Amino acid sequence: ELKVEQNPLFLSMQEGKNYTIYCNYSTTSDRLYWYRQDPGKSLESLFVLLSNGAVKQEGRLMASLDTKARLSTLHITAAVHDLSATYFCAVDPGTASKLTFGTGTRLQVTL
Amino acid sequence: DTAVSQTPKYLVTQMGNDKSIKCEQNLGHDTMYWYKQDSKKFLKIMFSYNNKELIINETVPNRFSPKSPDKAHLNLHINSLELGDSAVYFCASSFDRGGNTGELFFGEGSRLTVL
Repeated sequence: ELKVEQNPLFLSMQEGKNYTIYCNYSTTSDRLYWYRQDPGKSLESLFVLLSNGAVKQEGRLMASLDTKARLSTLHITAAVHDLSATYFCAVDPGTASKLTFGTGTRLQVTL
Repeated sequence: DTAVSQTPKYLVTQMGNDKSIKCEQNLGHDTMYWYKQDSKKFLKIMFSYNNKELIINETVPNRFSPKSPDKAHLNLHINSLELGDSAVYFCASSFDRGGNTGELFFGEGSRLTVL
C-alpha cells in the first residue's frame, strides 16, 4: 500500500524566513501534486510535477520532484503571512488515477 | 461559474438518519471522486467513477452508496448515519490520466455533523 509522509506536520515560521516541506512516498511514481487548503476551504492545486527532476515555481513557492529518491520538496522563500495554510502533497501510483494524499503540513507564518 | 459544486455545504443530522450529498462538475472531466477529510485533516479516497462506471471502491462501509447518473454528476448517499461519519466530504474531478496531468479539481466540501 502506498504511503505518503510529509514533514514537518506543523511549521511556525517568521515572515521573511525560508523553509522547506518534505514529502516522501513509498512506491514508484512519476506524478506528484501539491495542494493548498485554507481553513474551512477547498483544496487548491498549486503544482503538478510529472517527471523526475521537474521543478515548478510560483511566487515564493518552488516545488521539485526526485523520483529516484521518492521525494518531493516545497520550498518557501521569504515567507509572508498570506502563505499560512495547510499544504498537502499527493502521489499518483499510476493505478486508476488513485491519488494518495500526504498527512498535510500546517504552515503558520507569524509577523 | 463554479467548476465543481457540492450541496449542501453543511449538514447536521441525528444518528440513524439517511442523507445525501450531491456533486456536479462543468469541466468536462471523465472521472469524479469522493474524498473524506477527518478532524485531523487526513484525506482519504472513498470512491471514484469514470464515465459513470465505478473504478475505485475503497474499504468503506456499505452504508455509503455512490451514484453517478452521468459523467458530470456524482452523488453520495449515506444510510444509518453514525457519529464516526462526521467529517468533511469533498467531491473532485479530473480528466483521465492518459495524456492529461491527472490534476484533481475539488468542490467546496460538505461538512457533515452527526449528533
